[in-house]
Amino acid sequence: KQEVTQIPAALSVPEGENLVLNCSFTDSAIYNLQWFRQDPGKGLTSLLLIQSSQREQTSGRLNASLDKSSGRSTLYIAASQPGDSATYLCAVRPRTRGYKYIFGTGTRLKVLA
Amino acid sequence: DAGVTQSPTHLIKTRGQQVTLRCSPKSGHDTVSWYQQALGQGPQFIFQYYEEEERQRGNFPDRFSGHQFPNYSSELNVNALLLGDSALYLCASSFGLTGETQYFGPGTRLLVL
Repeated sequence: KQEVTQIPAALSVPEGENLVLNCSFTDSAIYNLQWFRQDPGKGLTSLLLIQSSQREQTSGRLNASLDKSSGRSTLYIAASQPGDSATYLCAVRPRTRGYKYIFGTGTRLKVLA
Repeated sequence: DAGVTQSPTHLIKTRGQQVTLRCSPKSGHDTVSWYQQALGQGPQFIFQYYEEEERQRGNFPDRFSGHQFPNYSSELNVNALLLGDSALYLCASSFGLTGETQYFGPGTRLLVL
């Protein structure tokens, strides 16, 4: 059974700091992995999607890496800003029929001005 | 181009009642998935609809049912509401059963008293 874990659960950093969010999953049989952002009480915004054959994806100040064999992904945020404050969720799509994501419980990030 | 829309945004019900939540997928999408997100948790997959049929189901009781209409919009019905059904209900749409990216709506927040 696929399980997704995110560490740390919460993180508070000063503005301008580079930071890394961690995600681990128990079954390497995945199609892809996605990182989402969720603002309080809101829906999910997709940040980066990494296919199982890829090692990393970049978008602006965000870089996500995937090590499928070890069941790990990291989301790197460069030069953090107060507007980055949100909950970041990691989700994997298992290699099963259909299309569903299994989510971690998220990392709640606060960037202090 | 409208993204995924959900209605209502908020809802308050009492135990034992029934509720219907609605979702319109992003233009061009034909597949709808529903997720339940309890406070402080990651979203959990409820079920997925494609071609007006339930294609995949998560670990949710039969009190949770759904429907997809010919225009691809979808409803989520929950009968005999329990306090534990209080959550944010998210709808996600994609194209086909193997669509690469799911787009999430803003969610419906349900409170059961």
